[in-house]
Amino acid sequence: GENVEQHPSTLSVQEGDSAVIKCTYSDSASNYFPWYKQELGKRPQLIIDIRSNVGEKKDQRIAVTLNKTAKHFSLHITETQPEDSAVYFCAASYNQFYFGTGTSLTVIP
Amino acid sequence: DVKVTQSSRYLVKRTGEKVFLECVQDMDHENMFWYRQDPGLGLRLIYFSYDVKMKEKGDIPEGYSVSREKKERFSLILESASTNQTSMYLCASSLPTGAGNTIYFGEGSWLTVV
Repeated sequence: GENVEQHPSTLSVQEGDSAVIKCTYSDSASNYFPWYKQELGKRPQLIIDIRSNVGEKKDQRIAVTLNKTAKHFSLHITETQPEDSAVYFCAASYNQFYFGTGTSLTVIP
Repeated sequence: DVKVTQSSRYLVKRTGEKVFLECVQDMDHENMFWYRQDPGLGLRLIYFSYDVKMKEKGDIPEGYSVSREKKERFSLILESASTNQTSMYLCASSLPTGAGNTIYFGEGSWLTVV
């Protein structure tokens, strides 16, 4: 089955700096890669996603890149703000959803 | 807006008790899932269902069972709760996978087994 690895497990950045979270996957059949943000005590919520026919997608301060050949995808958050502090999960999907183990991001004011 | 509702947010149960966690979605999604979330382990799939009365084992089905009698409702059952089942349980739903449909989560049920 699919195996998704996510790094780093924790990340601290100064407010205004950029944050990058990376994921790798193993199954070349995976064709959909969503990212979720989970604030403390709340449900994971979709923040951005990318499909395998696209290399990059951007939504304001958030961007995701996908390298199908290398089987890795990354989340980029620019101009970080304290409210970006949360746990972020990547996932790879074809017939099922496979999640990374999460990155705890802390943005220091 | 998709809504996935888990009826119990916080539960405390005794070892050996039978526990029911209920989940309802209002978007006519075919797929429903139960995940367990533990620190450092991410989201681990317990069971999923792609249709009424259908179920498939996930990565960690031992000690759990599920029921899906109606499309909108998916129940997770702990036949005899044990302390190692203390965790946060997330229900989710989606349209059919393979077509780039995303998954939507409920708020989670925090279960403590004492």
